[in-house]
Amino acid sequence: EIVLTQSPGTLSLSPGERATLSCRASQSVSSSFLAWYQQKPGQAPRLLIFGASSRATGIPDRFSGSGSGTDFTLTISRLEPEDFAVYYCQQYGSSPRTFGGGTKVEIK
Amino acid sequence: QVQLVQSGAEVKKPGASVKVSCKASGYTFTSYGITWVRQAPGQGLEWMGWINAYKGNTNSAQKFQDRVTLTTDTSTNTVYMELRSLRSDDTAVYYCARDMLLGPFDNWGQGTLVTVSS
Repeated sequence: EIVLTQSPGTLSLSPGERATLSCRASQSVSSSFLAWYQQKPGQAPRLLIFGASSRATGIPDRFSGSGSGTDFTLTISRLEPEDFAVYYCQQYGSSPRTFGGGTKVEIK
Repeated sequence: QVQLVQSGAEVKKPGASVKVSCKASGYTFTSYGITWVRQAPGQGLEWMGWINAYKGNTNSAQKFQDRVTLTTDTSTNTVYMELRSLRSDDTAVYYCARDMLLGPFDNWGQGTLVTVSS
């Protein structure tokens, strides 16, 4: 099983600032089958990024993903008020599909 | 547009079973799978298993293999997740999501809260 470790656990930032979220895998993720999801309280997760760096339909270009192998990053270039949420990485290249523990981006 | 609509909240006693439905619309149901993910209160996301909506073959996390059954009904575009021998730590929101296998979970249901309490 691939274990995904996200850091930091909480990121305290102000609107307009840049957010950098990390996701590290215990072994290489096949073909960069790595996704990022955003979840707000009381809502289902929403797909942001797949294939490590491809934005899902309708996702603003301030969200970008990068990385390969075992190290992946989600960057939000300038935080908007609606971006404060919890973010999860997930690998879907091998079974069981696994999620990271999440990073909460909160308003400073 | 793609929609996944889940059945309503359930309250069950320990040892009972629960069956949650996920009705799909807005796409070709038999061209995708459906995956199930759960989230305990205040916790992260946990993948439970996947079903091919057309063929009905499944793949489940080892943790749930003995207790979960996933089924599909192509006549109603609905997938079902049954979890047996419920325990208090099964209390969670259960989500279904569209899943192409080797693909991300690109559309999610609204979630179904299952509460296990004596």
